[in-house]
Amino acid sequence: GAGVSQSPRYKVAKRGQDVALRCDPISGHVSLFWYQQALGQGPEFLTYFQNEAQLDKSGLPSDRFFAERPEGSVSTLKIQRTQQEDSAVYLCASSLGLPFDTQYFGPGTRLTVL
Amino acid sequence: GNSVTQMEGPVTLSEEAFLTINCTYTATGYPSLFWYVQYPGEGLQLLLKATKADDKGSNKGFEATYRKETTSFHLEKGSVQVSDSAVYFCALIPTSGSRLTFGEGTQLTVNP
Repeated sequence: GAGVSQSPRYKVAKRGQDVALRCDPISGHVSLFWYQQALGQGPEFLTYFQNEAQLDKSGLPSDRFFAERPEGSVSTLKIQRTQQEDSAVYLCASSLGLPFDTQYFGPGTRLTVL
Repeated sequence: GNSVTQMEGPVTLSEEAFLTINCTYTATGYPSLFWYVQYPGEGLQLLLKATKADDKGSNKGFEATYRKETTSFHLEKGSVQVSDSAVYFCALIPTSGSRLTFGEGTQLTVNP
């Protein structure tokens, strides 16, 4: 079946621009996660949804970062007034929602802020 | 807080060599432990996992055993192939949570 998809795969933004990154989880997956992966580092947690409810947003680095999942399926991560330090790969993952369930990752969106 | 520490890379081996990538963790209770792999140009894929102490996860010839006494989850393979060249990430999900905490990753290169 189809895996997690993300779009766009690559995004170049000028400093100060707003960007929106999309994630389509595996159909039927209740939980959805966003992670940020800086070059040469492991992914770091940003936020977590169970259905449409955002249960944990403690990893969002500033109030410029906002995520939503209004219908409990597709999710969008929005970054306002992008800064150079926002350059990273943004990964989306989904799971069935059971405890310690396997998270399936999308290919990521590589954001470069100039 | 929760954390994962992996052996520093990069690691370079010849084909058919034995592989060990060390991973230790800090967490309260009994976290679940994972190894993810990232092949060049691809997304993260689950390689194996273990959810309780003394469990052994295995897949594609790779193995890792959950050692509570040493808080470790070392990845091993008896005979690596060129196709195993990738970045390997150790990770945990704590007892009380759902989010993954990753180590920094270990780059493995296998030469023919």
